Amino acid sequence: GAVVSQHPSWVICKSGTSVKIECRSLDFQATTMFWYRQFPKQSLMLMATSNEGSKATYEQGVEKDKFLINHASLTLSTLTVTSAHPEDSSFYICSARVKTGQGQDTQYFGPGTRLTVL
Amino acid sequence: AQSVTQLGSHVSVSEGALVLLRCNYSSSVPPYLFWYVQYPNQGLQLLLKYTTGATLVKGINGFEAEFKKSETSFHLTKPSAHMSDAAEYFCAVRNPLDMGRRALTFGSGTRLQVQP
Repeated sequence: GAVVSQHPSWVICKSGTSVKIECRSLDFQATTMFWYRQFPKQSLMLMATSNEGSKATYEQGVEKDKFLINHASLTLSTLTVTSAHPEDSSFYICSARVKTGQGQDTQYFGPGTRLTVL
Repeated sequence: AQSVTQLGSHVSVSEGALVLLRCNYSSSVPPYLFWYVQYPNQGLQLLLKYTTGATLVKGINGFEAEFKKSETSFHLTKPSAHMSDAAEYFCAVRNPLDMGRRALTFGSGTRLQVQP
C-alpha cells in the first residue's frame, strides 16, 4: 500500500522555539494532505487541510499564524509550530489523500510526530 | 455536520473471545464509514471502510463491520481475539458529498485490551 512518512518521529524543544514537521508521500502524489493533532488518550482532531500550491484551510479555533502549513509539492507538506509553548505538546499526524478512481479516494496516515515543548 | 460516538473507551476481552467495538454516527446524508487501528506511538492503519454496496464489510486481520442504516451504526467485530489485536480503534465518518475537504471526523476511540 501507499506509504506516508513523517520527520522527525519525535522532537523536544524549548518554549519559544519553532519546530518544522515534514510529511511525505513516498510512492504516490497527494493533491491533498491533512494535519491532525492528538492529545493523550484522545481522538484525532483535524487542524487543517493542505492543497498543493494553495493556502491551507484551517479548522475553526486553529491559529494559522501559529501553525504554518506549506504544501510545496505533490509529495511534501510541512507543518511549522511557531513559538511553541508547552500546551502545543501533542502527537501530530498527517495524512495524504490519493484518488483511487471512480470518484473514490483513500487517506493514508503517517506514523506521527510527538512534540514535547519544555 | 456529522459526528461519531464510540461507546466504551475501554474494552477488555479474553484471547479467543469475540471482539465487539461499537460505533454510532450522525450524518445528514448516508456517510462513508471507516475503522482505523492505532498501535502505540504509531499512525493510523485502515482496517476497513464502507462506501456503497454490500453492508457487511470485511477488512484486514479478520475484522469486519456491518453498516446498519436503521440503527445508524457501524460496529466492528472479530470472532476470535488475538493478543496482537490490543490497540486503539477509531471509527470515522466522511460526508461523500464533500468534494472539497474530504476530511474525516473521528470518534473518541476505544482501547482494546486482550487478556491471555
